[in-house]
Amino acid sequence: NAGVTQTPKFRILKIGQSMTLQCAQDMNHNYMYWYRQDPGMGLKLIYYSVGAGITDKGEVPNGYNVSRSTTEDFPLRLELAAPSQTSVYFCASSPPGKNEQFFGPGTRLTVL
Amino acid sequence: AQTVTQSQPEMSVQEAETVTLSCTYDTSESDYYLFWYKQPPSRQMILVIRQEAYKQQNATENRFSVNFQKAAKSFSLKISDSQLGDAAMYFCAYSRGQETSGSRLTFGEGTQLTVNP
Repeated sequence: NAGVTQTPKFRILKIGQSMTLQCAQDMNHNYMYWYRQDPGMGLKLIYYSVGAGITDKGEVPNGYNVSRSTTEDFPLRLELAAPSQTSVYFCASSPPGKNEQFFGPGTRLTVL
Repeated sequence: AQTVTQSQPEMSVQEAETVTLSCTYDTSESDYYLFWYKQPPSRQMILVIRQEAYKQQNATENRFSVNFQKAAKSFSLKISDSQLGDAAMYFCAYSRGQETSGSRLTFGEGTQLTVNP
């Protein structure tokens, strides 16, 4: 099992550009999450999904969109990148009935 | 809303000695989980230890143990026989008990642990 994979590892965007951060898991987990980690801070929940076709906002959803068309994939979309979105983005997944999340390696995004 | 507070931005310990990292949390729930995650310079989030709120016994994983004080809403991590590889950022995290929206985590701001040889 590859676990949770994220692409790209690094990306630099210009203000106003758009991009999609990819996340995939091969553990057949129902639940998936997107977090952001600002420098020197803990992770904050952006969006989460309880299954294909179902998503909901977390603590800091503004400026982002998500979709979940399959169990495996949970992409995060930035439509109009802003410097405030400079952060490290983590995707995670968890199986039902277990309060344990499995994290991807993260994507470092810089918006200039 | 639940909050998690780590009041020690930085800690240091000598190799082979013991260090305790502090965490307090606030919740009105009775069913919840608490976690300590380790984040080394590689950025990978690694689960160190987990505690179920309904269990009175403190969780232990090898050199890592917790002191869970439910009434005081305190959840500290003790690292015994510290090793150079323990140097990392440590995050305390909270999630509600079993619910239909999964195990969404609320994190503290982290404690940077340095291990001195």
